Amino acid sequence: EAGVVQSPRYKIIEKKQPVAFWCNPISGHNTLYWYRQNLGQGPELLIRYENEEAVDDSQLPKDRFSAERLKGVDSTLKIQPAELGDSAVYLCASSPDRTYGYTFGSGTRLTVV
Amino acid sequence: SQELEQSPQSLIVQEGKNLTINCTSSKTLYGLYWYKQKYGEGLIFLMMLQKGGEEKSHEKITAKLDEKKQQSSLHITASQPSHAGIYLCGAVARGDYKLSFGAGTTVTVRA
Repeated sequence: EAGVVQSPRYKIIEKKQPVAFWCNPISGHNTLYWYRQNLGQGPELLIRYENEEAVDDSQLPKDRFSAERLKGVDSTLKIQPAELGDSAVYLCASSPDRTYGYTFGSGTRLTVV
Repeated sequence: SQELEQSPQSLIVQEGKNLTINCTSSKTLYGLYWYKQKYGEGLIFLMMLQKGGEEKSHEKITAKLDEKKQQSSLHITASQPSHAGIYLCGAVARGDYKLSFGAGTTVTVRA
């Protein structure tokens, strides 16, 4: 079984530029999460999807961040414009439901210069 | 939001020695999850605990849940260089679906 696939693996951009991250969850996993992990800290939830519906986006900075999950499968997280403080690892995870472990992708390491 | 305290923040252990990491939740738990992370990489799921007194093992890693104290401990026996990394505890509070994390414990194993 393929795991959670994220791309790109690394991204370096200049501040004020846009950037997008892509996530393909495990087949059949209805729940998808985007997390941001700053250096030396644990991951923090940005947004949670149940199928195509964003059921918890309270932690998403909506002035510059947006996300979508078309057809309830793949998801894209976008930042526009990026700021220096957005440098972090962005992790995608999926699960069939909370009674099982949440499977994480390898993450996208974003560096804003 | 779920508050999770992990201790210690970091530890260095001699190869072959045991180590223990603790995680305490400020909220009543639905489930407690342990993950391992290599620097700059994704999280690898180790195990999930739900019931008070529950204990699970995977190779030389054992995790226990004290539901009354809302605490979990992760114990590694006879540590090896492959055990080095960042260990993260995550938790879902009862009545919630959000998986929140502690700050992590960095483990270094010295040969």
